[in-house]
Parts: sequence; structure tokens; C-alpha cells
Amino acid sequence: DQQVKQNSPSLSVQEGRISILNCDYTNSMFDYFLWYKKYPAEGPTFLISISSIKDKNEDGRFTVFLNKSAKHLSLHIVPSQPGDSAVYFCAAVLKSNFGNEKLTFGTGTRLTIIP
Amino acid sequence: KAGVTQTPRYLIKTRGQQVTLSCSPISGHRSVSWYQQTPGQGLQFLFEYFSETQRNKGNFPGRFSGRQFSNSRSEMNVSTLELGDSALYLCASSLDSRAFFGQGTRLTVV
Repeated sequence: DQQVKQNSPSLSVQEGRISILNCDYTNSMFDYFLWYKKYPAEGPTFLISISSIKDKNEDGRFTVFLNKSAKHLSLHIVPSQPGDSAVYFCAAVLKSNFGNEKLTFGTGTRLTIIP
Repeated sequence: KAGVTQTPRYLIKTRGQQVTLSCSPISGHRSVSWYQQTPGQGLQFLFEYFSETQRNKGNFPGRFSGRQFSNSRSEMNVSTLELGDSALYLCASSLDSRAFFGQGTRLTVV
């Protein structure tokens, strides 16, 4: 059962335009969400996070929006740059009563920025 | 500060063999998690260790096991390898709820 889904395996965007990456989840108990960026042959690197009590978080060119009623979050990158070409993973975190945290990742979306 | 280090980077094994992968976390990080990345499956959680104790486990068969040492270094072992175990295995160490990943070990089972 895939609790975190990224339904678009790939996305191509013109340089300078806005890239919108989407993520859906099924568990309403997730405590917060993260986006990771991954280049080939490297481990994922953290991009931005959002708490489940917020609906927006912004960091430079990256903004994450959370719609709890729709169980949907999105990552906006504007303006898109060639270096943004990578695979983007959405992840959700569930905290247990004992303080443990478990990350569940989506399957990733390959973003290609066209010069 | 050195990042998360995984060894080896690449590995080729034959079916039925066993393999051990190693992960050295960032200094000061006590939590180490392991993930398997395969095309179409994304990143799947294997297990998490904290202070030498496994405190979370994903839905993988018992052939996948791990351990953590007193210096927080962790090893992952896969026994009786199957072709479907070919994947990139990523280790992450965590502090303040943020995971930092190593470059991964690319395992190919032939």
C-alpha cells in the first residue's frame, strides 16, 4: 500500500518558468512532509519541509503548499533553472508516541528543465 | 564535517550469496536508517537503528537484517541474494528530524 504517491514519473519545464511537483498521501496522521532532490549516483538531499499544521512554507525559489483536506502537497520552483533537473522525492513523517520517526517516500518525479 | 559514508560504492554478487554493506553516519548522529531504491518503487524503508537498537522496520523479508555499533556505524546484511535485490541501497543519518543521505551502494545480483 503506497501511502505517499507521486503520480507523475516525469515533468519537463522551460527554463525560467514555474515547475510544480505534486504529491498525494493517504494517512491523515502524518506529522510533517519533506521534499528531497536527487542527482544520479548521489544520495537525496533535503530541500524544504512543511509541518502538518501549516499550509505554506517558502525558501528562496522553493515553496511547498499543503492542502490537508485533499491530502495533497506540491512543490513550486520558480524560476526553474537547468541545475534543478533531478529526481524529486516527496516524503512524509509519522512520529510515534515514543519519539520515533518514520519517513515514507513517494516514487519520485524526474524534472527536466529545458534551456 | 564529513557526510554519511557508505562502502562499497558498487558491488556485484551472484544469486544465493550474502552481502554486507556499511554505513558511517555523520559524527554526532545516533540514528541510522537504510533504504532500498529501485526503478518504479522509489525509496523504500528497510530499518532504523538508534543507539544500537532497531526501533523501526519496513516490510522486507527476514533475509534483510542490520545492526548498529557503539560508534553509531551501521551494517546491513542481505542473505540468500535474489535477482530482485539488485538496487541502490541508501543509508541516512538523522539529527533534529532531518535525514542526511550517503551516496549509496549499488548492488547488482547476477
